Amino acid sequence: NAGVTQTPKFQVLKTGQSMTLQCAQDMNHEYMSWYRQDPGMGLRLIHYSVGAGITDQGEVPNGYNVSRSTTEDFPLRLLSAAPSQTSVYFCASSYSENGDEKLFFGSGTQLSVL
Amino acid sequence: GQNIDQPTEMTATEGAIVQINCTYQTSGFNGLFWYQQHAGEAPTFLSYNVLDGLEEKGRFSSFLSRSKGYSYLLLKELQMKDSASYLCAVRDSNYQLIWGAGTKLIIKP
Repeated sequence: NAGVTQTPKFQVLKTGQSMTLQCAQDMNHEYMSWYRQDPGMGLRLIHYSVGAGITDQGEVPNGYNVSRSTTEDFPLRLLSAAPSQTSVYFCASSYSENGDEKLFFGSGTQLSVL
Repeated sequence: GQNIDQPTEMTATEGAIVQINCTYQTSGFNGLFWYQQHAGEAPTFLSYNVLDGLEEKGRFSSFLSRSKGYSYLLLKELQMKDSASYLCAVRDSNYQLIWGAGTKLIIKP
């Protein structure tokens, strides 16, 4: 199993550009999520999905869109990049075993918006 | 509001023991997690506590007191590879994870 595969690893955008961060998992997890990580702050949830065809907003959804057409894939779209979106982004998937919900993270995307 | 507090940085010596504290104020409680994150890498799961008491996993142990809103991660026989950030997260009444900013642990020889 490859686990959670996230691409690209690094990206530089100009203000106003759009892009899609790809995330795929091969563990058949129903739950997938996107986080951003900024210095001095905890991980913040952007969007999440509890299964194919179902998505919902997290704590900081503005400026981002997601879709979940298959169990495996959960791409994150930046509609019109802004400098405030400069961050490290992590995709994660999870399963629950006896309530012990372990998150498996992708390797992260370091995004800079100029 | 919801809040997770943990020290920003700690330093310890190789071979020693270190305790990383986490206090939380959340709307409801459905479990507390500890994750390890090496610099430039993704977080990886360490432990999960939902009942009061100590959970031991090898060199790592995690303790929870729900009445005090308090947890700690205990690392024994520290190794240089334990240099990392340690993230505390609480699952609230909506089953959403609230994350602390993390504690950067520096291990010195």
